[in-house]
Amino acid sequence: KAGVTQTPRYLIKTRGQQVTLSCSPISGHRSVSWYQQTPGQGLQFLFEYFSETQRNKGNFPGRFSGRQFSNSRSEMNVSTLELGDSALYLCASSLDSFTGELFFGEGSRLTVL
Amino acid sequence: GEDVEQSLFLSVREGDSSVINCTYTDSSSTYLYWYKQEPGAGLQLLTYIFSNMDMKQDQRLTVLLNKKDKHLSLRIADTQTGDSAIYFCAERSGNTGKLIFGQGTTLQVKP
Repeated sequence: KAGVTQTPRYLIKTRGQQVTLSCSPISGHRSVSWYQQTPGQGLQFLFEYFSETQRNKGNFPGRFSGRQFSNSRSEMNVSTLELGDSALYLCASSLDSFTGELFFGEGSRLTVL
Repeated sequence: GEDVEQSLFLSVREGDSSVINCTYTDSSSTYLYWYKQEPGAGLQLLTYIFSNMDMKQDQRLTVLLNKKDKHLSLRIADTQTGDSAIYFCAERSGNTGKLIFGQGTTLQVKP
């Protein structure tokens, strides 16, 4: 059974640009959540999608957005990139929001110059 | 509020047992997790425990949960150099389903 797939793995952008990251969850999983990992702030929750609906959102500015498609694949978008957006963005997949098993992908490492 | 605390560093000798501790504050937690992260990689789910359980064992891993004190521990028996990594404790909010992570404990295993 394939794991959680995130693309791209690495990318470099400049300030002011926008970026779109993709996540394909484990087959049959309908909940996809996104986390940002930085050395200073650690792992922080961005948002969670279930059946194409955003269920929860963390404390991030509106520049951070996401969506989920009918096949459960999810994308997150960051507009008007800032230097502080440089981070590892991790996607997590689970059957639903409240079951136990929650699996992460390898992440997308974003560098903003 | 929601907060998870871990010690930052643990050093052990190969073959010894490692115990990583974690405390949390959210009473609504449904599940508690241990993840392992190696350099440049994502988070690997090691094990998780439902909040009404006291203990869970999985091969070399033993998780102990003291719900009254909101204390979680991960014991790794016969620690190997391949166990060197950062270990994250996390609680899953019963209200929102989101994970609240600790800062991570760096485990160093000396040969």
